[in-house]
Amino acid sequence: DQQVKQNSPSLSVQEGRISILNCDYTNSMFDYFLWYKKYPAEGPTFLISISSIKDKNEDGRFTVFLNKSAKHLSLHIVPSQPGDSAVYFCAASGLSNFGNEKLTFGTGTRLTIIP
Amino acid sequence: EPEVTQTPSHQVTQMGQEVILRCVPISNHLYFYWYRQILGQKVEFLVSFYNNEISEKSEIFDDQFSVERPDGSNFTLKIRSTKLEDSAMYFCASREGLAADTQYFGPGTRLTVL
Repeated sequence: DQQVKQNSPSLSVQEGRISILNCDYTNSMFDYFLWYKKYPAEGPTFLISISSIKDKNEDGRFTVFLNKSAKHLSLHIVPSQPGDSAVYFCAASGLSNFGNEKLTFGTGTRLTIIP
Repeated sequence: EPEVTQTPSHQVTQMGQEVILRCVPISNHLYFYWYRQILGQKVEFLVSFYNNEISEKSEIFDDQFSVERPDGSNFTLKIRSTKLEDSAMYFCASREGLAADTQYFGPGTRLTVL
């Protein structure tokens, strides 16, 4: 079941540069997308989300872009900082039982920021 | 800032034993979830819970699993007879309500079945 895919298992970016993490999905019923950041032995920490009625959402250094026709979303982090080094998960939810949308996660991308 | 808490942080048990994983969701949240992550794999949905009943469950959530909200604050996951393959990180999450779609996760419980 690969409804949400993150094809890059790892990414290294120089400090101060832009980090771009990508995510693809196959289920057209997904209507809400989230990015979580995860450190080892901790739970996923919510970063930013986007509804399918939008194509961009920005929060400080983090911007998420959604391309519904391509079923693709990306997370941009600019400028990248050493504290951004973590595993980033893309997650999606859709119209399951009303009000109880489960999250489907991607496999994650390990981001390393090089000082 | 309110957060989801989970206890214990690490649970070691023998195969066939029962375990109860505990979670305290964010106080004004109405929707509760359990997920798990087997080492090296993706985070997987187990079950969602609303209004004191299960609203959705995955194929992983078989008869060995149960959830309960025994009081106004705790949300528990019970595994009746643990198997080796139940070894994983178990995450509890909660969501405020219909207008809010973001699920907030706890730090997880690492379950090791020997």
